[in-house]
Parts: sequence; C-alpha cells; structure tokens
Amino acid sequence: GIQVEQSPPDLILQEGANSTLRCNFSDSVNNLQWFHQNPWGQLINLFYIPSGTKQNGRLSATTVATERYSLLYISSSQTTDSGVYFCAVERSGQAGTALIFGKGTTLSVSS
Amino acid sequence: GAVVSQHPSRVICKSGTSVKIECRSLDFQATTMFWYRQFPKQSLMLMATSNEGSKATYEQGVEKDKFLINHASLTLSTLTVTSAHPEDSSFYICSAVGLGRETQYFGPGTRLLVL
Repeated sequence: GIQVEQSPPDLILQEGANSTLRCNFSDSVNNLQWFHQNPWGQLINLFYIPSGTKQNGRLSATTVATERYSLLYISSSQTTDSGVYFCAVERSGQAGTALIFGKGTTLSVSS
Repeated sequence: GAVVSQHPSRVICKSGTSVKIECRSLDFQATTMFWYRQFPKQSLMLMATSNEGSKATYEQGVEKDKFLINHASLTLSTLTVTSAHPEDSSFYICSAVGLGRETQYFGPGTRLLVL
C-alpha cells in the first residue's frame, strides 16, 4: 500500500520561530490533507491540498504532486501551535476512500 | 464548514461489556464514514469503511464480529465494541465525506477505557 512519511518526528521551537514540516508519499494521490491534532485529540483540518500552494494566516502548504511531497510552513509560531501535525493522503483513482496517515510531527512551542 | 459529532466523548466500562459509539454528520449527508483507532502517541489506523445501507468493509486484522458497524442513515454511523477487553482501550475517531465533497471531516473522538 501507499506509504506516507513525515519529518521531522519531533520539533521544538521558541515562540516566534518559523518551521517547515515535510510529508513524502510513495504513490499518486487524489487527495492530501494536513491536520493539527490538539491536546484533546480533535483533528482540525488545515489544508486540502492535492497540488499547488495555499495560505491561511500564518500557515501555508505546498504540494508537488509530481515529486510526491508536501510541505507545511508555520511562520511566527505561537504556543497554541503545539500539538501533532498529520499529513494524510487518499490514493489516486479511489475517490472517497479512507485517508492514510503519516506518523505525525509533534511540535512543541515554548514562550 | 462541515461538522461531525461523536457520542460519547469518553466512556469507562467493565471488561466483557459492550459499548456503542455514535458518529453523526450534522450539516451534510455522509455517503461514506470511516472509523479509525489511535493508540497513545501513535498515528490513526483505519478500522473500517462504512457506506450507508451496505455492510462495512473492514481492514485486515480488524475483527468484524467484535467491532460492529451500522450505517443506517446518511447522517449516522455507529461502532459497537462487543465484549470489550482492556486491550480495546483506545481513542476511536470517525470521519465522514459527503457526496460531491473532497475533504474528509473528523469527529472529536471517543476515549474508551476498559477496566
């Protein structure tokens, strides 16, 4: 099956710093989503981004589908950004199928 | 945006009992719902895919007789953990996708603790 690898596994930042999280996937995908899982377990949709670039406030994401990777940028990090960031993909040609998750990047932002 | 709810948010039960978890899409019709399980400090693992009006499709290694899934309407899917044991303790999360939608939306999850 499709493999989803995220890096780094852990990231510690000072408030105000910028960071880049990476997601590599092993096959063509229909759908790629980035999530933030807060300390209570809720998965929050950040981006639906099978290709191209999107921005939402301090967050932006870029997916280069032909090279099978996606990047999530966090600028001017805040303590509330702490948590686990997951990348998840839906295999190409199988719309409406389940998402396959990477193992996540655990981000800790200190003040 | 689309909202998915789960009930209960947390449950503690004795070993051997059954627990039912509900997943509802509140403002859209979900043609497909998915059930995931997440152990502490691990990623989400798909358990089963649930389509309205048909039998669920289970992932390899997931016991269909233990984890009963019913998708009776376009807004409700239920997961019943039968004869729960301590090793079933986990965080169970559902997601839903609607007809014509691209994004999957996740519920807030249910923490199950089996004593």
